[in-house]
Amino acid sequence: NAGVTQTPKFRVLKTGQSMTLLCAQDMNHEYMYWYRQDPGMGLRLIHYSVGEGTTAKGEVPDGYNVSRLKKQNFLLGLESAAPSQTSVYFCASSYGGVMNTEAFFGQGTRLTVV
Amino acid sequence: AQSVAQPEDQVNVAEGNPLTVKCTYSVSGNPYLFWYVQYPNRGLQFLLKYITGDNLVKGSYGFEAEFNKSQTSFHLKKPSALVSDSALYFCAVRGREGGNMLTFGGGTRLMVKP
Repeated sequence: NAGVTQTPKFRVLKTGQSMTLLCAQDMNHEYMYWYRQDPGMGLRLIHYSVGEGTTAKGEVPDGYNVSRLKKQNFLLGLESAAPSQTSVYFCASSYGGVMNTEAFFGQGTRLTVV
Repeated sequence: AQSVAQPEDQVNVAEGNPLTVKCTYSVSGNPYLFWYVQYPNRGLQFLLKYITGDNLVKGSYGFEAEFNKSQTSFHLKKPSALVSDSALYFCAVRGREGGNMLTFGGGTRLMVKP
């Protein structure tokens, strides 16, 4: 029962470095999402995907890129990390096309940019 | 744009007493409403959802939520709080204008004291 798995769980980056966060789900879900969680601001949607090969911008997409080459994987990239991107990142997935289905979340990635 | 407001950053309640965590929403058309819980250093876990039908929805761990269309509210309730209920609670909404995007409130920290 893996569900949604995020890699890595923790990371410290220097300003200007790049990295990729990996999200994998084994539930055959169509939709996948990347959120960031900051104190007092809840979860804000960065990018999402409604199916393999498709991506779309969420509320706060600047500074991030994503790819969905395989249905089960959703990658979040930071090309040039900035301290403002220090946050906890959550990946989620859900069945597609039906708005009444709940999303399943990964354990989160704590990213610090120094 | 759809939005969710959780007016209380923190709710304190004594063990055994009833608890309420407030949520109001703004969305065009019929809303799909969700409550999630987050324990320390964990991802979000689904608690319950409102899609249609009975305004009182029952979910996991004895929680329930009441949908009030006229007040655009979806408050989370539990008749008797447990210390183990202490966590961060998020309300979320999906609406037609947002496609399948899930919009979260800022979260409410519930503290249940023995």
